[in-house]
This record gives sequence, structure tokens and C-alpha cells, in this order.
Amino acid sequence: ERVMTQSPATLSVSPGERATLSCRASQSVSNNLAWYQQKPGQAPRLLIYGAFTRATGVPARFSGSGSGTEFTLTISSLQSEDFAVYYCQQYNNWPRTFGQGTKVEIK
Amino acid sequence: QVQLEQSGAEVKKPGASVKVSCKVSGYTLSELPMHWVRQAPGKGLEWMGGFDPEDGETIYAQKFQGKVTMTEDTSTDRAYMELSSLRSEDTAVYYCATASPIVVPSGIYRPPYFNYWGQGTLVTVSS
Repeated sequence: ERVMTQSPATLSVSPGERATLSCRASQSVSNNLAWYQQKPGQAPRLLIYGAFTRATGVPARFSGSGSGTEFTLTISSLQSEDFAVYYCQQYNNWPRTFGQGTKVEIK
Repeated sequence: QVQLEQSGAEVKKPGASVKVSCKVSGYTLSELPMHWVRQAPGKGLEWMGGFDPEDGETIYAQKFQGKVTMTEDTSTDRAYMELSSLRSEDTAVYYCATASPIVVPSGIYRPPYFNYWGQGTLVTVSS
């Protein structure tokens, strides 16, 4: 099983600032990695797939990078609606696995 | 556009079983690889199992093997997730999730990520 480890657990950022979230896989997952955003009381929303491709309707301030075992989600200029929990997920291997999440909170 | 409508909240006693449904619209269920993900209160997302379109099998996370059964009724476009021998630790929101198929030159590609989610079903296990 690919174990996905996200860091940090919590990221405190001021609106307008840049946020950088990390996701590490225990073994290579190639570029078969997705990022999801989840707000309280809502289902997750797909942001990024294929490590760097934005899903339909996702603002350009969200960008993904990396391959193999190291991945990054960058939010270039945080907006109020971006404060949420972010999860990475690998779909290179079975079972599919999620990271434990990074909470982006207002500083 | 895919829409996933899940059944309502459930309260069950320890040892009981629960069956959650996920109604598909916008596509037929047979076009979509359905997965189930759960989230315990205040915790992260946990993949439980899903359909592998490459070999036509449902694959379960090892943790849930023997405890969960995922089925489909293509006549009503409903997917089901049944969880047995419920314990308090099974208290969670359960989501169905899938991705819309993409037409590619070689045929139909069913993406393995999840761009459509149900609204979630809260299952509470309490004596």
C-alpha cells in the first residue's frame, strides 16, 4: 500500500499570501496524483489530477507539481474561500490512498 | 454532468448492518466506476473500495474486506454500499465518488480520480 504523508498538518496564512502544501508517497506513484479541497460540511472537490492538471472550473491560482514521490500544491494568492482542508490522493496503485490532510487556516 | 444522490442518515446499533445507496443521474451507472470513501468525525478521507474498469472487479481496501459489500443495480442506476457488524468506530460520513468518462481516440477512458461526489450519508452507530 502506498502511504501518503502530507505536511504540514496545519498551515496559517494571511489572505493574499502564497501557500505551499506538500505530499509525499512511500513509493513512486508516477504522476497519478490528485488534490482535493474540502470545506466544513461539504463533500471534497477535485482541484488537480495528473499531478498538475487543473480540474474544470478551478482557478489558475491553484497549481500542482511533482512526480514520483514528491508533490506540491501551491495556492499563489490565498482568497477567503480557499481556507479549507486539502487532501492528496494517489491512484497509481490499489488500494487508492489519501493523505491525512493539510488544514489551511487564516493567520 | 454527473449527479450522485445518496440516501439519508442512518442510526444503527452495534452489530447491525447498514446499506447506503447512491443514485446516479446524467449518465448510466454502467458508464461510471463507483467508489466509496468514508470520513469519521473530525478525521480525514479513507478509501473503502471501488470498481476497477480494467478488469471489471470491485476492489476493497484490506481493512474492509469481509465487512463491506459494494453492489450495483444497473436497472435503477443505483450503487450500494453495505457495511456489516457495525461498531462505534464505523460512525462516519460515507461518500460515493466517481469520474465522468472521457471519449478518447481509442474509445472511452474512465478516469481513476473523483470529480463527482455524493452529498454524503451520516451513519451513526450507537447503543
